[in-house]
Amino acid sequence: KAGVTQTPRYLIKTRGQQVTLSCSPISGHRSVSWYQQTPGQGLQFLFEYFSETQRNKGNFPGRFSGRQFSNSRSEMNVSTLELGDSALYLCASSFPGDGTEAFFGQGTRLTVV
Amino acid sequence: AQSVTQLDSQVPVFEEAPVELRCNYSSSVSVYLFWYVQYPNQGLQLLLKYLSGSTLVKGINGFEAEFNKSQTSFHLRKPSVHISDTAEYFCAVMGNTGGFKTIFGAGTRLFVKA
Repeated sequence: KAGVTQTPRYLIKTRGQQVTLSCSPISGHRSVSWYQQTPGQGLQFLFEYFSETQRNKGNFPGRFSGRQFSNSRSEMNVSTLELGDSALYLCASSFPGDGTEAFFGQGTRLTVV
Repeated sequence: AQSVTQLDSQVPVFEEAPVELRCNYSSSVSVYLFWYVQYPNQGLQLLLKYLSGSTLVKGINGFEAEFNKSQTSFHLRKPSVHISDTAEYFCAVMGNTGGFKTIFGAGTRLFVKA
């Protein structure tokens, strides 16, 4: 069974640009969550999608957005990039249900210069 | 709302020594609890989880954790660590009221020395 796939693995962008990251969940998983990981802040929850609807949202500015497609694949977009957006962005998928664990991709390392 | 506090940011320990990584949580509802491990340049993988029932939970790689409801803790233990256990460990909580949002602690860096 294929795991969670995130593309690209590495990305370098310039301040002010926008970026789109992609996540393909495990087959059958309908919930996809996104996290930002930085050395100082740890894992910060961005948002969670289920059946193409955003079900939960973290405390991030509106520059961070996402969406989920009918095949459960998800994308997140960051507009007007800032240096502080440099981080590892992790996607996790899960089979919806109480107490089900998240399965993580290897992440996309975004560097903003 | 739920929150998770991992009490130690770094834990150095010698190989074959026991280790305990501490985790406390707060929640107004019943929760499910998880420990994940992250190796360098990798995503997180599940070590173990507590849903209900026995408060002592056994996971992969010889790790176990004990759920203590009165102390709102879920500490992770291993009786004898190996060099390969060097990694970052995350405690996480999911409220059982639906929504399935998982909140992670800041992580504990376990460094096993020879």
